[in-house]
Amino acid sequence: AQSVTQLDSHVSVSEGTPVLLRCNYSSSYSPSLFWYVQHPNKGLQLLLKYTSAATLVKGINGFEAEFKKSETSFHLTKPSAHMSDAAEYFCVVLSGGYNKLIFGAGTRLAVHP
Amino acid sequence: GAGVSQSPRYKVAKRGQDVALRCDPISGHVSLFWYQQALGQGPEFLTYFQNEAQLDKSGLPSDRFFAERPEGSVSTLKIQRTQQEDSAVYLCASSLPFSSGGKSRYEQYFGPGTRLTVT
Repeated sequence: AQSVTQLDSHVSVSEGTPVLLRCNYSSSYSPSLFWYVQHPNKGLQLLLKYTSAATLVKGINGFEAEFKKSETSFHLTKPSAHMSDAAEYFCVVLSGGYNKLIFGAGTRLAVHP
Repeated sequence: GAGVSQSPRYKVAKRGQDVALRCDPISGHVSLFWYQQALGQGPEFLTYFQNEAQLDKSGLPSDRFFAERPEGSVSTLKIQRTQQEDSAVYLCASSLPFSSGGKSRYEQYFGPGTRLTVT
């Protein structure tokens, strides 16, 4: 069965400093992985997706993630945090069969001035 | 174009009442998913439709939960005899039937959710 584990429930950074949100996955085959962002009172928005093409995936708003099979990781990074990045971030794996999404518990990112 | 819409956005129900939550997917999206997001948790899968057929309902927590999509478009999630543990945000998502124009068929578009509070 597929699953993801987000290693940090809360991350706090200063504006302009790098962001690292960590995610490990478990899958019996080559997974499809996603990062979604959820701003307060707004719907989930797809940041980026990995579907067995390039291992370094670029997404929206300057975010990117690297798929590392040897480490079973899919960490999300951004070189310079902006105040508007403050939100809840979910690492997600696609489950086989009917393509339902399996979400991690989420990481709340706080950005301080 | 219009995204996924859900109504109502907020619902307060007394324990034991029945509720119905509506989802309008993006036009042309064959696949429709319902997820439940408890406070402080990630969303969890409830059920999946392909057109009007409910192909997976393995995530429905009890037989009090029922979902339908009779014409392959709008879907309704119904909860009978609501309990306090049903309090959550219910999310609906839809996706394309196939990859097209750079958009993957695996990419799900989410609505804003319905926040259900059972008192």
